[in-house]
Amino acid sequence: NAGVIQTPRHKVTGKGQEATLWCEPISGHSAVFWYRQTIVQGLEFLTYFRNQAPIDDSGMPKERFSAQMPNQSHSTLKIQSTQPQDSAVYLCASSLDVETLYFGSGTRLTVL
Amino acid sequence: AQSVTQPDARVTVSEGASLQLRCKYSYSGTPYLFWYVQYPRQGLQLLLKYYSGDPVVQGVNGFEAEFIKSNSSFHLRKASVHWSDSAVYFCAVSDNNNAPRFGAGTKLSVKP
Repeated sequence: NAGVIQTPRHKVTGKGQEATLWCEPISGHSAVFWYRQTIVQGLEFLTYFRNQAPIDDSGMPKERFSAQMPNQSHSTLKIQSTQPQDSAVYLCASSLDVETLYFGSGTRLTVL
Repeated sequence: AQSVTQPDARVTVSEGASLQLRCKYSYSGTPYLFWYVQYPRQGLQLLLKYYSGDPVVQGVNGFEAEFIKSNSSFHLRKASVHWSDSAVYFCAVSDNNNAPRFGAGTKLSVKP
């Protein structure tokens, strides 16, 4: 079991460019979560899916951020027109339910 | 809405000393409570969790936590820390349906 796989590990974008982050959950897990980690804000919840359906996106910034889960083997987090304040480590986690979460190593996004 | 407060951003202790990391939660119902640990350059890993029953729960590597409902607290303890315990510790709260919400984290440094 390879665990939760996130790609790329690092991404550098210029201000105004688009960034797409990928997450492959653990096979058989029905729930996928996205969080954002910064020094200032800590670990912020963004959104989560259960059985590929969006359940709660209350943490997503209303503009520029979107997440999808087109099939049970991957989820994407897309940030349009990236801004320097979007710089963070984006963490994906999966779970059999909403109990124990298994986290990936994260994608470090740097917006110049 | 559920939320978690970890009042101590950084804690430094000497190796062999006892440890308590504080966590206070806000949740109207019966919470599910968690402690996760993030070692340097690694993803978050579950240390322990509480759903019901004995309010003192044991985790890995000698960690334990006590659920005190009257105080809305779930502090993490260890009798004797080791240098390898240096990491960032996150407290989290959820219920059976919602994604866990995490505190800002406490960075633990263990002095040799």
